[in-house]
Amino acid sequence: AQKITQTQPGMFVQEKEAVTLDCTYDTSDQSYGLFWYKQPSSGEMIFLIYQGSYDEQNATEGRYSLNFQKARKSANLVISASQLGDSAMYFCAMRDTSGSRLTFGEGTQLTVNP
Amino acid sequence: NAGVTQTPKFRVLKTGQSMTLLCAQDMNHEYMYWYRQDPGMGLRLIHYSVGEGTTAKGEVPDGYNVSRLKKQNFLLGLESAAPSQTSVYFCASSSADALNIQYFGAGTRLSVL
Repeated sequence: AQKITQTQPGMFVQEKEAVTLDCTYDTSDQSYGLFWYKQPSSGEMIFLIYQGSYDEQNATEGRYSLNFQKARKSANLVISASQLGDSAMYFCAMRDTSGSRLTFGEGTQLTVNP
Repeated sequence: NAGVTQTPKFRVLKTGQSMTLLCAQDMNHEYMYWYRQDPGMGLRLIHYSVGEGTTAKGEVPDGYNVSRLKKQNFLLGLESAAPSQTSVYFCASSSADALNIQYFGAGTRLSVL
């Protein structure tokens, strides 16, 4: 069974600073995908970034980057130059080898302070 | 682009009542999913579909049924609602490509009294 662990229930960061949100995963699959989603207070789930298990480069999307350490089974999200609008719940998720199911972590609530 | 549309957005039911949640996507995606989100928890998969006419159970399927009669629609039914089914329900869809990125609807907040 797959498992995603997000050990930080809440994180605080000052505006314009960088922040790292932790995610570790457990799987016996060789092929898998890792995702990060953002859920603002309005409730919708917004896709941020994807990393495939065979990707050699860390994924980047604008101010978001994924620090992928396969041997440690970690897939941390780095947000650079935090903005007030980054305040939200962030979920790490993993897709199984069948390619059709996501397992989510419990989330990290990020608060960006002015 | 509408993307993934869920109806209704809010609903209050009494124990034992039935209802159907509708999910519609306009991205021609093969795969569709229903999740529930409870306070302090991530999303948990209820049922999913990998194509028109097919459905499969997820992590928490009990008390729910689904149907995918058309490619663009995925229905979630509660035959006899229970207070334990009070939750926020999310529908998602994805293409069948290697990335399989799931795109979500805005959610349905359901309360069962």
